[in-house]
Amino acid sequence: EDKVVQSPLSLVVHEGDTVTLNCSYEVTNFRSLLWYKQEKKAPTFLFMLTSSGIEKKSGRLSSILDKKELSSILNITATQTGDSAIYLCAVGVGTASKLTFGTGTRLQVTL
Amino acid sequence: NAGVTQTPKFRILKIGQSMTLQCTQDMNHNYMYWYRQDPGMGLKLIYYSVGAGITDKGEVPNGYNVSRSTTEDFPLRLELAAPSQTSVYFCASSPREGYTFGSGTRLTVV
Repeated sequence: EDKVVQSPLSLVVHEGDTVTLNCSYEVTNFRSLLWYKQEKKAPTFLFMLTSSGIEKKSGRLSSILDKKELSSILNITATQTGDSAIYLCAVGVGTASKLTFGTGTRLQVTL
Repeated sequence: NAGVTQTPKFRILKIGQSMTLQCTQDMNHNYMYWYRQDPGMGLKLIYYSVGAGITDKGEVPNGYNVSRSTTEDFPLRLELAAPSQTSVYFCASSPREGYTFGSGTRLTVV
């Protein structure tokens, strides 16, 4: 059974801190690893990492895929209150691009 | 550009009732998916489709049915609602990699 594990489950930081969220996976037929941000409603896409693109960066967010360790990290620098959300890691498997999700990390950024 | 549209946004069902959650996408994506998200949990795949006329079960298909008669539409049917089906349901579509999610349907079965 495919499995995606995220840690920590929840995190409270002060505005301006840097945070690192972790994702590890055990799946068959790995295609990609994706990070999503979920606030009140639907997940919104952040990054997709594949064997040919193991590092992505967008503003204060960056992510790295370690295919040897079967894991990924999502870094957020200089956090802001607007970063408060659940961050979901998902792994794409098989030819139909099905996603297996982790349970998410709930991040709260306080003033 | 509408993207993925789900209706209704909220619904309360009584045990044993049936209903259809509608999902429509206007991006001409071949792949479509239905996920459910329970509180504090990640999303779990119910059913998916790789094209019109083709559907397959995901991780938690029991109690649900789907059809895909057109590329645009992928409705999810609950035949005999049970309290365990209380959840938030997300429809998504994909051209190949990377999903676009609908805004979700919050379903409560009482």
